[in-house]
Amino acid sequence: AQSVTQPDIHITVSEGASLELRCNYSYGATPYLFWYVQSPGQGLQLLLKYFSGDTLVQGIKGFEAEFKRSQSSFNLRKPSVHWSDAAEYFCAVGLLIKAAGNKLTFGGGTRVLVKP
Amino acid sequence: DGGITQSPKYLFRKEGQNVTLSCEQNLNHDAMYWYRQDPGQGLRLIYYSQIVNDFQKGDIAEGYSVSREKKESFPLTVTSAQKNPTAFYLCASSTPGEGSNQPQHFGDGTRLSIL
Repeated sequence: AQSVTQPDIHITVSEGASLELRCNYSYGATPYLFWYVQSPGQGLQLLLKYFSGDTLVQGIKGFEAEFKRSQSSFNLRKPSVHWSDAAEYFCAVGLLIKAAGNKLTFGGGTRVLVKP
Repeated sequence: DGGITQSPKYLFRKEGQNVTLSCEQNLNHDAMYWYRQDPGQGLRLIYYSQIVNDFQKGDIAEGYSVSREKKESFPLTVTSAQKNPTAFYLCASSTPGEGSNQPQHFGDGTRLSIL
């Protein structure tokens, strides 16, 4: 069965500093990988996704992620954090289901705090 | 605008009571999903449905039931058999797309608490 690990439960960064969130996955085939962001009391918003091709993926809000097959990682990065980036971030791996949709397995999430 | 609507935003359950959470989407998506979110545990899949009148158990289906009578709607019932129902519940949907690699779109969630 697939699994996703986000080793950092909390990260605190200063506004304007760079941010990197770690994600490691376990999956037997080529994974579909996603990063989502959740503001308090809200649903999840898709930041970016990787299916194939270029291993550096650009997303919304200035985020990017790099797929490294040899390390089973899909780390999320942002060069300069804004106060509005304070949220919880989830990495997920998708398992293809026949006929429709996919079944996502989520990591435990990383909560990001931004210091002024 | 298309999207997923979950209601109510907050819900309280008494002991021995069944409660139903609503999820409606106007995205014309075939697949719909229910997740439970507990602090520090990420999201766990309760049930999913790939097509009308069909649904499958996810990883934590015990104490829950669903129906899928319409493409747009996928209500979740939390039964009295679910002994620890306090959580944040999220509904999602997706379209098959090519290779079924389309991302899931989420509603804003329902927070269920025990009275």
